[in-house]
Parts: sequence; C-alpha cells; structure tokens
Amino acid sequence: DAGITQSPRHKVTETGTPVTLRCHQTENHRYMYWYRQDPGHGLRLIHYSYGVKDTDKGEVSDGYSVSRSKTEDFLLTLESATSSQTSVYFCAISESPGMIPYEQYFGPGTRLTVT
Amino acid sequence: GENVEQHPSTLSVQEGDSAVIKCTYSDSASNYFPWYKQELGKGPQLIIDIRSNVGEKKDQRIAVTLNKTAKHFSLHITETQPEDSAVYFCAASRSNTGKLIFGQGTTLQVKP
Repeated sequence: DAGITQSPRHKVTETGTPVTLRCHQTENHRYMYWYRQDPGHGLRLIHYSYGVKDTDKGEVSDGYSVSRSKTEDFLLTLESATSSQTSVYFCAISESPGMIPYEQYFGPGTRLTVT
Repeated sequence: GENVEQHPSTLSVQEGDSAVIKCTYSDSASNYFPWYKQELGKGPQLIIDIRSNVGEKKDQRIAVTLNKTAKHFSLHITETQPEDSAVYFCAASRSNTGKLIFGQGTTLQVKP
C-alpha cells in the first residue's frame, strides 16, 4: 500500500462522540486525501491537504475536519459522529500534480461504524 | 457539479473473454483519467491511467481509450483470468487540483 498506514483499522463508536482517524505515510509525498466509500457512491473526497497546515474541502466535507501538522500525518476528525458517517474511510497520497503527475495511492482503509 | 457515470455496475464473463467498462464525465476541463482495481477488504490500486493528450494506452492485457469529444473513456481487459475478479473504479480530475471524482464502480466476475 505504498507506505501508507491507517489507524485504527476498525472502530465502533456511539452517535454524538468525536472520532479521529489517522493516516501515516513514509513516502514524503506532499498531497494527502481522505475519501469515504459507500455502496453505490464509489469514493467521495472529504478533505485534502497540499502541504503542512494547508488543507481544503472536498465534495462531502460537512461534519468533518482535518489537520496536518507534519508531512507524514493527516488526521480526519468527526466532530460529533452520526449514523450517516458509518462508512469505510480511505487515505490517499500523491506527489504534487505536475511533478509525478497525478497518481494517487491508497491506504488499506478504516471501517467505521456509528451506532 | 462534476460527475462521473460508470457502466455496467456488474459484469460477468467467462475466463478468456474480454471485459469492457465504460465511464462518462461531465467536466470538460478534466484531463486525467485513472482506473483502480479494488479487491475485497483492500484499498483501491491504480492499474492504468490516461491523460487527455493521449487517445489510447495499453499495458499487457489492459487498455484504456479516451474520447474527449464525447467525454467518455473505457477500460478493456483481454484474456480475462479469475484473478481479474474485483471491483473496478474509473475517475476523472483536473491536473491543477488532484481532486478525483470517482464513478460508482463495476463488480467484475470472471468465471473459470
């Protein structure tokens, strides 16, 4: 998985609790992404980062926040988990678009269940 | 907003036959089109990609074609093998954003 780890790999939490998922890379890539995968929707971008402390929203960002204090770590936080956030979450990394153009490599995923 | 439609949602072929998966995109500024293969319980794996300045690209048994005028692109797998069974996703993006828009996925089953 291209030097990408995600933790935890599985989590069950209750509605209303905060949850943080971690993505760690050893490739020193500049760009990092968080996607969620749901049946019938493919993968949808939540947030992405184009450098330390530089982040931007994706297409389904409501209810999520992110932080990146180091090149290798990208955190996704569900501020107050809801059942609609039950999903499989994938982290991806890539070099800067235009350098090694565009290839994104995905981590193994985190299965989150909100009860 | 930007959208990628992928068809079919499921595809079953006999080993040795060819498989074709088609995608249509809405954003005419898209210029990068990757294809991913996802096996059960794993993350998507990039198998081939194409850029808008190229009409076709091949890598052994897989090929991708792009029609910019019609805004569609296709994945072709020849001589299918049971290990090709997986979910395949197409995606599209603009080069200056790196933000991928994915299709809904195609479950390919190759019967021995």
